Amino acid sequence: SAVISQKPSRDICQRGTSLTIQCQVDSQVTMMFWYRQQPGQSLTLIATANQGSEATYESGFVIDKFPISRPNLTFSTLTVSNMSPEDSSIYLCSVPYGGKFHFGPGTRLTVT
Amino acid sequence: KNEVEQSPQNLTAQEGEFITINCSYSVGISALHWLQQHPGGGIVSLFMLSSGKKKHGRLIATINIQEKHSSLHITASHPRDSAVYICAVIRSQGGSEKLVFGKGTKLTVNP
Repeated sequence: SAVISQKPSRDICQRGTSLTIQCQVDSQVTMMFWYRQQPGQSLTLIATANQGSEATYESGFVIDKFPISRPNLTFSTLTVSNMSPEDSSIYLCSVPYGGKFHFGPGTRLTVT
Repeated sequence: KNEVEQSPQNLTAQEGEFITINCSYSVGISALHWLQQHPGGGIVSLFMLSSGKKKHGRLIATINIQEKHSSLHITASHPRDSAVYICAVIRSQGGSEKLVFGKGTKLTVNP
């Protein structure tokens, strides 16, 4: 089993600012996924982050808005840039490991 | 139409009742996950299935690949089972595997 931690657990940010969310895994994993869960909705994949390559973004998400770093096999960051109230969501990272998908506890972001 | 459909969307039960949550999907998959999300937001993987049936405690998950349908059953339900249950299918795409999520079923078990 992989244990995933995320920082911060929650934050309240001003419109126009940026927030960087960290995801730390206790095992080395090749693939890492970043998801957004808007209020009352299910999870939407933002991007796939593989170590040693550029992140792959899903339709509707762009690197300028959600830059991702993946410096090693246990860590990744997602930045939410130039935030607006529509970015208020829970952001989660997830990794496939041991035949299952494991999820971080999420970062609850509120943009005012 | 969503690739993964869950029913019901909301479910309220009395403690001790037998619960069934259904999931249908319209795409080819390599496996299916049942996930549990508590109000705090944390998501736990309950089962991953590619065929047949799995049981863990009071939880049972079944999948019928031919019919593209899976069910999650909870026996002797308890208030602590109150959570959102999410069906997610694993699709192979571009050489990698990705999860496609249903919208979730919000379960409330009353004492």
